[in-house]
Amino acid sequence: DAGVIQSPRHEVTEMGQEVTLRCKPISGHNSLFWYRQTMMRGLELLIYFNNNVPIDDSGMPEDRFSAKMPNASFSTLKIQPSEPRDSAVYFCASSLVPTLPSGLTDTQYFGPGTRLTVL
Amino acid sequence: DAKTTQPTSMDCAEGRAANLPCNHSTISGNEYVYWYRQIHSQGPQYIIHGLKNNETNEMASLIITEDRKSSTLILPHATLRDTAVYYCIVRGHAGNNRKLIWGLGTSLAVNP
Repeated sequence: DAGVIQSPRHEVTEMGQEVTLRCKPISGHNSLFWYRQTMMRGLELLIYFNNNVPIDDSGMPEDRFSAKMPNASFSTLKIQPSEPRDSAVYFCASSLVPTLPSGLTDTQYFGPGTRLTVL
Repeated sequence: DAKTTQPTSMDCAEGRAANLPCNHSTISGNEYVYWYRQIHSQGPQYIIHGLKNNETNEMASLIITEDRKSSTLILPHATLRDTAVYYCIVRGHAGNNRKLIWGLGTSLAVNP
């Protein structure tokens, strides 16, 4: 399996610029998660999708952040305009949620992350 | 807020077993115990999970106490590559209870 694929792996940009992070989940998975990790706040869930539909975006810091999932194999996280405090490592994860209630849980598998630096 | 408590750091000699404890005294009956680890500069890696019974896979063993208020992750023969931050997470299987709420984890150093 290719695992979760994220691009770019590193991004350096200037304050005010638009940044787009990309994620390809594991084939067949139906849930996708975006996380942010900083030294100060650790790993935080930003948003997650089930079957391409955003379910919980309560972790999105503000309107400058937006996420889309146009199909089951692709998602983007966009920051516009970017600010220095957005500098962090952004992780994407995917999982397969049972379609029928079963009491079984799903396991999230993470990508390698995108290290974003906003100058 | 994270529902688990872990020691901040631990050391282990290479080749010995590493036993990482986790307290989750408020765990609900339908919540699972998950373990992930994060090696420096990499994404979190799934290790193992369990509900009530002890579990074992190719990476580790998970021992859950009978009252389910604590658990221990066991790496039977630690290697230098096991040096990482280990996260113990309690989560449900439905709705927003599926979310992973990350604490600070235990920083494990495996020494030669």
